[in-house]
Amino acid sequence: GENVEQHPSTLSVQEGDSAVIKCTYSDSASNYFPWYKQELGKGPQLIIDIRSNVGEKKDQRIAVTLNKTAKHFSLHITETQPEDSAVYFCAAYAPNEKLTFGTGTRLTIIP
Amino acid sequence: ETGVTQSPTHLIKTRGQQVTLRCSSQSGHNTVSWYQQALGQGPQFIFQYYREEENGRGNFPPRFSGLQFPNYSSELNVNALELDDSALYLCASTKTSGSRDTQYFGPGTRLTVL
Repeated sequence: GENVEQHPSTLSVQEGDSAVIKCTYSDSASNYFPWYKQELGKGPQLIIDIRSNVGEKKDQRIAVTLNKTAKHFSLHITETQPEDSAVYFCAAYAPNEKLTFGTGTRLTIIP
Repeated sequence: ETGVTQSPTHLIKTRGQQVTLRCSSQSGHNTVSWYQQALGQGPQFIFQYYREEENGRGNFPPRFSGLQFPNYSSELNVNALELDDSALYLCASTKTSGSRDTQYFGPGTRLTVL
């Protein structure tokens, strides 16, 4: 089955700086890669996703890149703000399989 | 807001008891998935229901069972509770747009087994 690894497990950045979280996956059939943000006491919230037919997608301060050959994808947050502090999860989905999550990155924005 | 609601928000049970967790998803979302999230971990897939039939199962024993109803609500039942069942249980409904599926999560139910 699919295996998703996520790094780093914790990340602290100064407000205004950029944050990058990286994930690798094992199943070459995976074709959908969502990123979720989870705040304390809440369920995961979809913040951006990318399908395997594109290499990059951007939504305001958030971007995701995908390298299918290397089987890795990354989340980039620019101009970080205190409200970006949360736990971020990457996930990978292959057709007729389940959504497999990474182990999470706790992002802390230092004011 | 995802439009996915779960109840109750918190629950405390003792070992050996049975529990039922509930989820209500958006109209038109025919697929519902349940996940278990242990503290400090990512969500682990329990099972998925499509049009009231189980449509995929993760590595969980049969004492984890579910139901999906025509009104887009669903239940997760856990029998013979064990201490390790303490976790956040998440429900996710799937929106299908063309050939693309997107999962939206509810806020979860925090289950504590003593």
